[in-house]
Amino acid sequence: DPKIIQKPKYLVAVTGSEKILICEQYLGHNAMYWYRQSAKKPLEFMFSYSYQKLMDNQTASSRFQPQSSKKNHLDLQITALKPDDSATYFCASSHSLGSNTGQLYFGEGSKLTVL
Amino acid sequence: GMPVEQNPPALSLYEGADSGLRCNFSTTMKSVQWFQQNHRGRLITLFYLAQGTKENGRLKSTFNSKERYSTLHIKDAQLEDSGTYFCAAEAGTNAYKVIFGKGTHLHVLP
Repeated sequence: DPKIIQKPKYLVAVTGSEKILICEQYLGHNAMYWYRQSAKKPLEFMFSYSYQKLMDNQTASSRFQPQSSKKNHLDLQITALKPDDSATYFCASSHSLGSNTGQLYFGEGSKLTVL
Repeated sequence: GMPVEQNPPALSLYEGADSGLRCNFSTTMKSVQWFQQNHRGRLITLFYLAQGTKENGRLKSTFNSKERYSTLHIKDAQLEDSGTYFCAAEAGTNAYKVIFGKGTHLHVLP
């Protein structure tokens, strides 16, 4: 059974619209992350959260807003979508963040296509 | 430079051959993780190392924090080893992220 659930797996959106990518982890972890992978490119770090608190943000655009309603949830809201936002977005988690981060566990990704 | 440099960018080898992938780090890293990304895009964890060497079947990985590098060796390559291999490292000081290398595209030929 997957321990990190990302929804939806695939989505298509029109330019200018807004979407929310869902991520839930059932590993009992305290740290969660978002990464983005554009076609044939490496994974690019976006955000890290620890105990529902933002720890690092490497995303230049405020159109990307993480939302953590519960400790095991970290959703990603993307507003005013652009075709360049087309990518696979991966959620990950680890035991904690900082002195004892541990191994990262990844979800299967949400593939977003913006037309 | 890039905090995580991965080499080679691409590699082709025949079934049964051995190969080595390497990541060099621009700064001291606390840990390294190696992943294989398969044709479906799924990330499969191969190793997590805070130091030293680990082995799993035909795979072996080493992490030397002091010398700032990590290696992944694949022995007796099989067709199913084809894919993209990423190393990802966590910096040692005040870092709240794990950074990925650009990956090595491995193609195993029959």
